[in-house]
Amino acid sequence: QVQLQESGPGLVKPSQTLSLTCTVSGGSINSGSHYWSWIRQPAGKGLEWIGRIYSSGSTNYNPSLKSRVTISVDTSKNQFSLRLNSVTAADTAVYYCARVGRRIAAPLDYWGQGTLVTVSS
Amino acid sequence: QSVLTQPPSVSGAPGQRVTISCTGSSSNIGAGYDVHWYQQLPGTAPKLLIYDNSNRPSGVPDRFSGSKSGTSASLAITGLQAEDEADYYCQSYDSSLTASVFGGGTKLTVL
Repeated sequence: QVQLQESGPGLVKPSQTLSLTCTVSGGSINSGSHYWSWIRQPAGKGLEWIGRIYSSGSTNYNPSLKSRVTISVDTSKNQFSLRLNSVTAADTAVYYCARVGRRIAAPLDYWGQGTLVTVSS
Repeated sequence: QSVLTQPPSVSGAPGQRVTISCTGSSSNIGAGYDVHWYQQLPGTAPKLLIYDNSNRPSGVPDRFSGSKSGTSASLAITGLQAEDEADYYCQSYDSSLTASVFGGGTKLTVL
């Protein structure tokens, strides 16, 4: 059973960079069958897709966040990471990592439990 | 404003049937991209409920079913149970945005 676990600071100051890591267990991030995604959810609001990465490092980003987002992968640690720079209060949300199939409209079949990141001074 | 439109809320009594709609456009659902549904119980991460329009992952009761037609998709829940009370989200891909997109979510209340 694949499991994902997010980790990182729960509090980030405005204008700084949010950094999170997702550790994958029960399966290899190098399997070749899946992409690995980040999704966020502000309190009381809906889900927003941030982007995805393949084990090769190939990425796709949400155009609305593309200028501020970087997703990277470390296959040796079976982890992938999210960096979001120049954060504001609007970036306060629960951030989820998830596994997604390779095709363009694939479902997100395994999710982490989520981690709350608050942007505040 | 979400690219995929869902009703904010639906409700039904135990044992009843409810449906949740997900309306898109010619650049997402209408373009033939698959629709997936997620169930989010209070305080938990979303869980895949229906994939590729109408398929259930292992372990999902057959009370849950999905369909797609034209620029819309629907999730139906029969034999409502108290444990079905949750938020439900649809998801697809939008070729104009070149991004995965979600509906705004629907809160199901079991009366």
